Amino acid sequence: EAGVAQSPRYKIIEKRQSVAFWCNPISGHATLYWYQQILGQGPKLLIQFQNNGVVDDSQLPKDRFSAERLKGVDSTLKIQPAKLEDSAVYLCASSLARQIYGYTFGSGTRLTVV
Amino acid sequence: AQTVTQSQPEMSVQEAETVTLSCTYDTSENNYYLFWYKQPPSRQMILVIRQEAYKQQNATENRFSVNFQKAAKSFSLKISDSQLGDTAMYFCAFEGAQKLVFGQGTRLTINP
Repeated sequence: EAGVAQSPRYKIIEKRQSVAFWCNPISGHATLYWYQQILGQGPKLLIQFQNNGVVDDSQLPKDRFSAERLKGVDSTLKIQPAKLEDSAVYLCASSLARQIYGYTFGSGTRLTVV
Repeated sequence: AQTVTQSQPEMSVQEAETVTLSCTYDTSENNYYLFWYKQPPSRQMILVIRQEAYKQQNATENRFSVNFQKAAKSFSLKISDSQLGDTAMYFCAFEGAQKLVFGQGTRLTINP
C-alpha cells in the first residue's frame, strides 16, 4: 500500500512569512496526526483529527498555527506568521486502529525559518 | 502527564555486536502500549517493535527484543548482531488513553 505522502520535503522562509504543509494519509485511515520535531528532540503532537473533526489540539499554538482536514482525507497545516523557533521537521502520521496496527509516518517537511 | 526518558543521547558499537538502548517512562495508567521507532536520515519514523503493557512476555522481532519491566517502568531495546543499516535515531514512545508521547531519542551508530 502507498505510504503517507507529505509535501514539500524542504521549505525555507523568512520570519513573519506564511507557509503551508500538505499531507495525504493512507487510504482508509480515519485518524491523522501532525507532529513537530525540533532538532535534537522527539516529535511532539500538534493536532489529531478523527475523520474531519479535531480530537486534540491542546499543544497547537493557535495564534499562529492552523490545520484542517477537509472531507476527512488530506490535511494542511499552516503557520502564519512564522517565527525562528518554528524551524523543525513537521511529520504527518495516520492510523486505522492505532492500538492494533500502530501509526504510519510520512517523511516529513523540514522547515527552516531565517 | 506521561513522560518518556531516554538517558543515552548517543551510542556507538561495532558491527555484529549487541547493543541495548534504555528507556523509562512515568504514568499512572495501567493499560498502555510502548513502542520503539527508528528514524533514519530519511526522517520517516519506522516502527521497530511494540509491547502491550498487559502482556508479561517480552516482544521480539527478529534481531530486536525488549526487556519490559512494568513495575520499574522500564522498556529497553536490545539489538543483536547489529548491522550498518541499524544506524539511526531511536525513539521510545508511550501511548495510553491519550496521545503518543516520545522520548528525546538515542543516536545509534554502528561502525564497520
